[in-house]
Amino acid sequence: AQKITQTQPGMFVQEKEAVTLDCTYDTSDPSYGLFWYKQPSSGEMIFLIYQGSYDQQNATEGRYSLNFQKARKSANLVISASQLGDSAMYFCAMREGQTQGGSEKLVFGKGTKLTVNP
Amino acid sequence: EAGVTQSPTHLIKTRGQQATLRCSPISGHTSVYWYQQALGLGLQFLLWYDEGEERNRGNFPPRFSGRQFPNYSSELNVNALELEDSALYLCASSLGDRGGTTDTQYFGPGTRLTVL
Repeated sequence: AQKITQTQPGMFVQEKEAVTLDCTYDTSDPSYGLFWYKQPSSGEMIFLIYQGSYDQQNATEGRYSLNFQKARKSANLVISASQLGDSAMYFCAMREGQTQGGSEKLVFGKGTKLTVNP
Repeated sequence: EAGVTQSPTHLIKTRGQQATLRCSPISGHTSVYWYQQALGLGLQFLLWYDEGEERNRGNFPPRFSGRQFPNYSSELNVNALELEDSALYLCASSLGDRGGTTDTQYFGPGTRLTVL
């Protein structure tokens, strides 16, 4: 079964508007971490934001925020005030098995291609 | 502070040859991860090294191997190259166990391997 699902292959947003990129996940492990990465056309994966399964509050990093709904197993990325430079692929990823202190493989979704229009 | 570096940027090989990809982690990071990003297959976990040891391996054949050196840099070797090995190979590093539950993997720019 797919562990990370990103249902939006492509999204378009106008510059300065907000956009939400969807991510749902599947795990039976009570302890896990969720990550969002940005991949521009150059190929490098850029870390954006992290949410732990036990975190009480939604994570925020500058213009990025994570809408974490644990019961629904969703971790949507919200980008506020979109900029032209935000055009890229966005990947949601999960790491299971944090109970022993982290560092394990990441499982990625298929990604969403975001295009910001001027 | 320097990020994760990878070399070469591009690599062109022919079927049956061997490829060696290199990765230098962020200073202070002891864990190195390798991922393959092939067209249509998404990002797939390949290997995880920590403190010089292989800690986990993805669902790849044994001709994919690697090692981690005492300075925590890493090599990925792909033997008997096949056409379907053409992909972007991404290396990531993290603090490993010292990073705790929020340990984050930071990626390098990747090596694009083309097998002809």
